[in-house]
Amino acid sequence: AQSVTQPDARVTVSEGASLQLRCKYSYSGTPYLFWYVQYPRQGLQLLLKYYSGDPVVQGVNGFEAEFSKSNSSFHLRKASVHWSDSAVYFCVLSARNSAGNKLTFGIGTRVLVRP
Amino acid sequence: EAAVTQSPRNKVAVTGGKVTLSCNQTNNHNNMYWYRQDTGHGLRLIHYSYGAGSTEKGDIPDGYKASRPSQENFSLILELATPSQTSVYFCASGDWGGDYAEQFFGPGTRLTVL
Repeated sequence: AQSVTQPDARVTVSEGASLQLRCKYSYSGTPYLFWYVQYPRQGLQLLLKYYSGDPVVQGVNGFEAEFSKSNSSFHLRKASVHWSDSAVYFCVLSARNSAGNKLTFGIGTRVLVRP
Repeated sequence: EAAVTQSPRNKVAVTGGKVTLSCNQTNNHNNMYWYRQDTGHGLRLIHYSYGAGSTEKGDIPDGYKASRPSQENFSLILELATPSQTSVYFCASGDWGGDYAEQFFGPGTRLTVL
């Protein structure tokens, strides 16, 4: 069985500061990994994804994430946040060859950007 | 335009009543999914479908049925709604194969069971 852990339920940062959201996964193989963002009262939108290759992947709106197989991690980063980055961020895993491509979600990290 | 839509967006139901949540996708994806979102749990999979006529149980199927009458439409049915089913429900679509596994989500339906 696989699992995803996001250790920080809430993160507060000042506008213009850097942001890092942590994600650890448990899976015996190499998974597909995603970061999704949920803005208030909206559905989930894909920020970025990792399938293979370069461990640093770029996403939308200046976000990037780094995959580490040795640490079983997929941390999300942004160099300078904007107030519009306030949202809930989910780290998500898909086990390769899983029936139905079922996704396993972390509980999410709520980010508040202070002006 | 939105590729995954859900209706209704908000619903108030009574305990014991029947509730049907509808989802439509224009992505032409084979797979569709129903999740619920609760604080402290992230999203949890209720039912999914590989295509028209198929439904499969997810991780928390008890109290829910699903129906996939066509490629585009996937419904979630609560035959006897209970207050514990108060939640936000998300539909998603996606294809899977090779290095492609992402899902696309609808805007959600907020269900309150009184």
